[in-house]
Amino acid sequence: SQQGEEDPQALSIQEGENATMNCSYKTSINNLQWYRQNSGRGLVHLILIRSNEREKHSGRLRVTLDTSKKSSSLLITASRAADTASYFCATVSVMDSSYKLIFGSGTRLLVRP
Amino acid sequence: DARVTQTPRHKVTEMGQEVTMRCQPILGHNTVFWYRQTMMQGLELLAYFRNRAPLDDSGMPKDRFSAEMPDATLATLKIQPSEPRDSAVYFCASDRGDEKLFFGSGTQLSVL
Repeated sequence: SQQGEEDPQALSIQEGENATMNCSYKTSINNLQWYRQNSGRGLVHLILIRSNEREKHSGRLRVTLDTSKKSSSLLITASRAADTASYFCATVSVMDSSYKLIFGSGTRLLVRP
Repeated sequence: DARVTQTPRHKVTEMGQEVTMRCQPILGHNTVFWYRQTMMQGLELLAYFRNRAPLDDSGMPKDRFSAEMPDATLATLKIQPSEPRDSAVYFCASDRGDEKLFFGSGTQLSVL
């Protein structure tokens, strides 16, 4: 079953604009991660934010986490055509020293040149 | 460049046949996950292993699916008998216990 739901399902922007994707989840988490998937490929890890963090940056990526609202957002600044891909959030819950990642439904991002 | 290797990349088979998918995790990674991706269901966690021991396979239909790790360099996912509804892309992913997954390129399975 999916833990995270992403919004919007699809996003089309012009190169140079910023892209914002949101993820909502249902249960307590230890951390939340964002992954990227190019068409026909596997997912690639982008960034991890822990439950006690509110914001994290990596290059052109900015992730926020609001545990009170059970939501996260991924901002890609100054987008490029190469950013075209699907983006997934994944929530991590740790139980009895084991953990599993549950992925959201994804946002398809199209960056027009 | 370390990567998770999955074989085969594509598999077309007929309903009722056995399908075996293989995964070689990154050397040194001790946790292996199997996911299935479809348009309708998205990414579903089927099973995962730590240090070759199965931790959770609750996402897997037990009557036809089985997952094993015969050694630290090989994970397998078998479907017997296969059905058309099993058509999907199956991903293997591994990590070194830091919860950041490295994914393989997937096996695209079509069951006719």
